[in-house]
Amino acid sequence: GQQLNQSPQSMFIQEGEDVSMNCTSSSIFNTWLWYKQDPGEGPVLLIALYKAGELTSNGRLTAQFGITRKDSFLNISASIPSDVGIYFCAGLRDGSGNTGKLIFGQGTTLQVKP
Amino acid sequence: DAGVTQSPTHLIKTRGQQVTLRCSPKSGHDTVSWYQQALGQGPQFIFQYYEEEERQRGNFPDRFSGHQFPNYSSELNVNALLLGDSALYLCASSFRTNQPQHFGDGTRLSIL
Repeated sequence: GQQLNQSPQSMFIQEGEDVSMNCTSSSIFNTWLWYKQDPGEGPVLLIALYKAGELTSNGRLTAQFGITRKDSFLNISASIPSDVGIYFCAGLRDGSGNTGKLIFGQGTTLQVKP
Repeated sequence: DAGVTQSPTHLIKTRGQQVTLRCSPKSGHDTVSWYQQALGQGPQFIFQYYEEEERQRGNFPDRFSGHQFPNYSSELNVNALLLGDSALYLCASSFRTNQPQHFGDGTRLSIL
């Protein structure tokens, strides 16, 4: 099925470092979402973005809705061990015939070394 | 305030059998979507239910069917199970069809 291109695929960083990951698509989305999934659990919504150029923060997390509406970025500042997990971007289109179907990236696996 | 709840947590079936998975949406949500997540992959959209009707469907065969009840809860049915149906099945709920979706912890289905 259709997926977004998410990079990097995995990251292994030192505690305290900042993290950046991004998501690109050949199609336009009207809403971008970022989720985190821990082993054995479902994805948890971190940030929702609704407008091109929008920059939104949630604690140490900051995400941006790309100007072209075809990409989005997530930054994590001062990483801590509990940031470990898989981060997914997801796009949502509005409009007739295409509402409600979330398109996901392949995920970025983050590991943090204490 | 209960989030999205799914049952059962784990299920083991054999090829050819049928399975029913259940989902209760987050309080205040009226729309339920189902996703299949294979190991190491992002979730893939199966279908979405709103006002007890299937509103949108992903690229899944007719063996996958669903239902939404008046209390907004939902079921996912899969007939004639194949080995390739082994996956984590996630339910997500939202208020209306185009709002951010909140996920349950899923049902891990294993086909032997």
